[in-house]
Amino acid sequence: AQSVTQPDIHITVSEGASLELRCNYSYGATPYLFWYVQSPGQGLQLLLKYFSGDTLVQGIKGFEAEFKRSQSSFNLRKPSVHWSDAAEYFCAVGAGDYKLSFGAGTTVTVRA
Amino acid sequence: DVKVTQSSRYLVKRTGEKVFLECVQDMDHENMFWYRQDPGLGLRLIYFSYDVKMKEKGDIPEGYSVSREKKERFSLILESASTNQTSMYLCASSFPSGAISSYNEQFFGPGTRLTVL
Repeated sequence: AQSVTQPDIHITVSEGASLELRCNYSYGATPYLFWYVQSPGQGLQLLLKYFSGDTLVQGIKGFEAEFKRSQSSFNLRKPSVHWSDAAEYFCAVGAGDYKLSFGAGTTVTVRA
Repeated sequence: DVKVTQSSRYLVKRTGEKVFLECVQDMDHENMFWYRQDPGLGLRLIYFSYDVKMKEKGDIPEGYSVSREKKERFSLILESASTNQTSMYLCASSFPSGAISSYNEQFFGPGTRLTVL
């Protein structure tokens, strides 16, 4: 069965600084990988996804993620954070069946 | 755009009440899901349905049941609500497994924050 680890529970970053959120997965074959964002009181919105091909994936809101098979990682990055990026971020992995396994989430706080 | 709607954003119920959470999707998705979300635990799958009248237990089905009488609608039922079911409940939908356009991607509703007193 697949699983996801997000090592950072909470990250605080200054507005305008860069952001990187870590995600490590466990799965024997090529996974389907996702990053979702949840603003306070809202549902989950898909930021980006990786299925195959180019390992650097561009998403919405200026986010990108890089799939590294050798490290079993799919880290999310943004070069310059805006106050509106304060949210909770979830990494998820799928195995081609119906199920997605989610990490516990990383809460991002943006300070002025 | 896919739209998944949930009947209530906030709900307050008393212990022992029967609670219905409704979810509707408008993209003709076969798969529908109910999750609960708790701080530090991420999303945990309660039940999954892959077709009308079909359901499968997820990771934490105890205390819950589901109903899917129509393709677009998936209901979560708390037969006798308890305080430990106070949580955020998220509904999601997706295309069936194996569909080229799916690759597991799930579309989420806004969530229902349930408080059981």
